[in-house]
Amino acid sequence: NAGVTQTPKFQVLKTGQSMTLQCAQDMNHEYMSWYRQDPGMGLRLIHYSVGAGITDQGEVPNGYNVSRSTTEDFPLRLLSAAPSQTSVYFCASSYGVRTSGANVLTFGAGSRLTVL
Amino acid sequence: DQQVKQNSPSLSVQEGRISILNCDYTNSMFDYFLWYKKYPAEGPTFLISISSIKDKNEDGRFTVFLNKSAKHLSLHIVPSQPGDSAVYFCAASDTGGGADGLTFGKGTHLIIQP
Repeated sequence: NAGVTQTPKFQVLKTGQSMTLQCAQDMNHEYMSWYRQDPGMGLRLIHYSVGAGITDQGEVPNGYNVSRSTTEDFPLRLLSAAPSQTSVYFCASSYGVRTSGANVLTFGAGSRLTVL
Repeated sequence: DQQVKQNSPSLSVQEGRISILNCDYTNSMFDYFLWYKKYPAEGPTFLISISSIKDKNEDGRFTVFLNKSAKHLSLHIVPSQPGDSAVYFCAASDTGGGADGLTFGKGTHLIIQP
């Protein structure tokens, strides 16, 4: 099993450019989410999805879009990149709290994004 | 306002001794608490969890203690090994809150010295 796969691992953008971070999981997990990790800030929830066709905002959603057309994929789109979006992004998935109680997330390896 | 706090950015412990990582929370609606471990250039990996109806959960060298009245939990690692050197994140969830996301602390960098 591949688990949670994120691409690309590294990306450099110029301010104003758009891009999509890809996330795919092969564990048939209902729940998927995106976090960003910044120095001294821990992990902060950007967007999440509890199933195909359902998405919602987390703590820091501004500047990002998501969609969930299949169970397996949950791409994160940056519409117009800003230097404040320089971060490491982690995609995560789980069976969700309705199945397992505690939301035990499986994380991808991360995508490091730099916006100049 | 930070709902999950890890007040020690780093902790240095000698190999073989006990490592104790602390976490405080403010939201009384949290009902599950989890610890994640993260190595550089990798994603966090799940370590151990505890339900709010328990006060202790043990898994091998790792034990998590929960004190609900103090809104405090701790992770004990005994004995500490060099491979335990990593950043440890405390996380909490409110399963009735609807968001399903975890709220993370800022992390504690544990360094195991030989």
